[in-house]
Amino acid sequence: KAGVTQTPRYLIKTRGQQVTLSCSPISGHRSVSWYQQTPGQGLQFLFEYFSETQRNKGNFPGRFSGRQFSNSRSEMNVSTLELGDSALYLCASSLAIGASGAYEQYFGPGTRLTVT
Amino acid sequence: AQSVTQLGSHVSVSEGALVLLRCNYSSSVPPYLFWYVQYPNQGLQLLLKYTSAATLVKGINGFEAEFKKSETSFHLTKPSAHMSDAAEYFCAVTSFTGGGNKLTFGTGTQLKVEL
Repeated sequence: KAGVTQTPRYLIKTRGQQVTLSCSPISGHRSVSWYQQTPGQGLQFLFEYFSETQRNKGNFPGRFSGRQFSNSRSEMNVSTLELGDSALYLCASSLAIGASGAYEQYFGPGTRLTVT
Repeated sequence: AQSVTQLGSHVSVSEGALVLLRCNYSSSVPPYLFWYVQYPNQGLQLLLKYTSAATLVKGINGFEAEFKKSETSFHLTKPSAHMSDAAEYFCAVTSFTGGGNKLTFGTGTQLKVEL
């Protein structure tokens, strides 16, 4: 089975621009989560989607948004980029969600975003 | 709110020596705990998970972890380190909020393996 794929792998943008990152989950996985990883703040949860609905959102400004399509693929968008948005953005997919069990999350290779 | 604390941001061991990476959790409900490994320029790879079935959990690459409720710990061990184990390791706890599944990570431990 193919793993989680993310495109693009590397991206360089200028302050004020916007960017869209894409994530394709493992086949059959309906949950997609996004995380931001920086040296200073570590791994931080951005948001999670299940069946095209956002079910959780982390403590990030409204410039960070996402969506999920009917095929479970997900995109995240960052508008009005700031230097501090430079990070590795990781997408993770999971088979299911809920209190009935802890379904592990499988991560993609990430998109390295550099804002200049 | 659930959280994890990883003691030691850097750990160095000799090849063949025991690896011990520490993780303590804080949770108001029985936790689900995970260890992930990250190699340079890669995403996170799941090593093992604890979901209350057994307190000693075996994972990939010879790693295992023991859940100790009395100590609120979930330390990761490997009997004999290999050069290929050099990487960053993250402990994580999952919380079910809003009907969803969110991972909260520790700050990571960089493992160095020396000859």
